[in-house]
Amino acid sequence: DAMVIQNPRYQVTQFGKPVTLSCSQTLNHNVMYWYQQKSSQAPKLLFHYYDKDFNNEADTPDNFQSRRPNTSFCFLDIRSPGLGDAAMYLCATSTGGTGYEQYFGPGTRLTVT
Amino acid sequence: QQQVKQSPQSLIVQKGGIPIINCAYENTAFDYFPWYQQFPGKGPALLIAIRPDVSEKKEGRFTISFNKSAKQFSLHIMDSQPGDSATYFCAAAVSGTYKYIFGTGTRLKVLA
Repeated sequence: DAMVIQNPRYQVTQFGKPVTLSCSQTLNHNVMYWYQQKSSQAPKLLFHYYDKDFNNEADTPDNFQSRRPNTSFCFLDIRSPGLGDAAMYLCATSTGGTGYEQYFGPGTRLTVT
Repeated sequence: QQQVKQSPQSLIVQKGGIPIINCAYENTAFDYFPWYQQFPGKGPALLIAIRPDVSEKKEGRFTISFNKSAKQFSLHIMDSQPGDSATYFCAAAVSGTYKYIFGTGTRLKVLA
């Protein structure tokens, strides 16, 4: 009973070649998040949506963009991946209500060659 | 400043021991404090969480202690097992937003 699904689990892309990571959820949660996590570090919030309202973190590079076409799906686009973008990308969801519980997907490991 | 400081960075205990992981914050605009467990190559999983109007919460072998006046909270793992070996992150939800601030993580190893 997967709740937050990320595809693919592993992605290899070339330097500068655009890549899209996808996330879907079966929880019907209002809020969806994208985090970047590098080895031995905490997850770093890139952006989040409350429904269709998009919130970008001030330090998220312009190279990263996101789309949320409907409640269930959210995409992370990396327009021109650099070697420094190699990381685990985590999608998470939350009700956005008083519960505040946040559920993470299994992540997509991105390798840039 | 919105920051959560977590310690220790790493921890090794014997099976059956009680590892304790500590977190501290300065900003009072936090209203929910979850702990996450993360295994290598996996996403973080919500373990247990507490609100600031509660001083302690237990779920199975996991206990959160919360000291609102000291702005500190900690995770205790009772009767720790080798299967508890993972990285643990504390976090804090920023009031009025949907954002979470994460601690830097503690890598726990429980020896058999």
